[in-house]
Amino acid sequence: DAKTTQPPSMDCAEGRAANLPCNHSTISGNEYVYWYRQIHSQGPQYIIHGLKNNETNEMASLIITEDRKSSTLILPHATLRDTAVYYCIVDTYNTDKLIFGTGTRLQVFP
Amino acid sequence: GAVVSQHPSWVICKSGTSVKIECRSLDFQATTMFWYRQFPKQSLMLMATSNEGSKATYEQGVEKDKFLINHASLTLSTLTVTSAHPEDSSFYICGSSGGVQYFGPGTRLTVT
Repeated sequence: DAKTTQPPSMDCAEGRAANLPCNHSTISGNEYVYWYRQIHSQGPQYIIHGLKNNETNEMASLIITEDRKSSTLILPHATLRDTAVYYCIVDTYNTDKLIFGTGTRLQVFP
Repeated sequence: GAVVSQHPSWVICKSGTSVKIECRSLDFQATTMFWYRQFPKQSLMLMATSNEGSKATYEQGVEKDKFLINHASLTLSTLTVTSAHPEDSSFYICGSSGGVQYFGPGTRLTVT
């Protein structure tokens, strides 16, 4: 079973920030939080990952709570092309056997 | 990030025939690759781990004699669906190993 829980769906207006939450209360000390997204009929796309510090790259920001039991992926200015299913996964750094949960279906509307 | 390709992107075959799907790592060497399957409106499910130069390891419930995996080089893993049936129709995706896992674009298999 997946070690994470996410809301099944969210809406976001184009141009606004999309904040996608993820709960991972049983995360181990050596496990990272990874975020991927899957646009319809494509393979998953890597977005970002982190261990305990907040991370930012050209795609998104990742905010991890101090107790590491939850995190939030932030897309600062959502576009229609960000409409996808977003998966939050916890695993050790040399990822193997990624366990995908049901993810959050983000719908960005005009 | 690492680039992973798959071929073909889609395939239609008749029931009882076999289909081979290729997964290539284009800019890195992969001693391990992963094969996933995704049915409509469902999440990805790991099928097997492909190990270069040795046998693949299969997840529980996946028939190793039906889904043949070959990983003969550091850049190529193949998945062959043998004696395909309509229930094997699915989206098959491969993933790289090491650090962050990167995925191929997927292969949609339709068995008629």
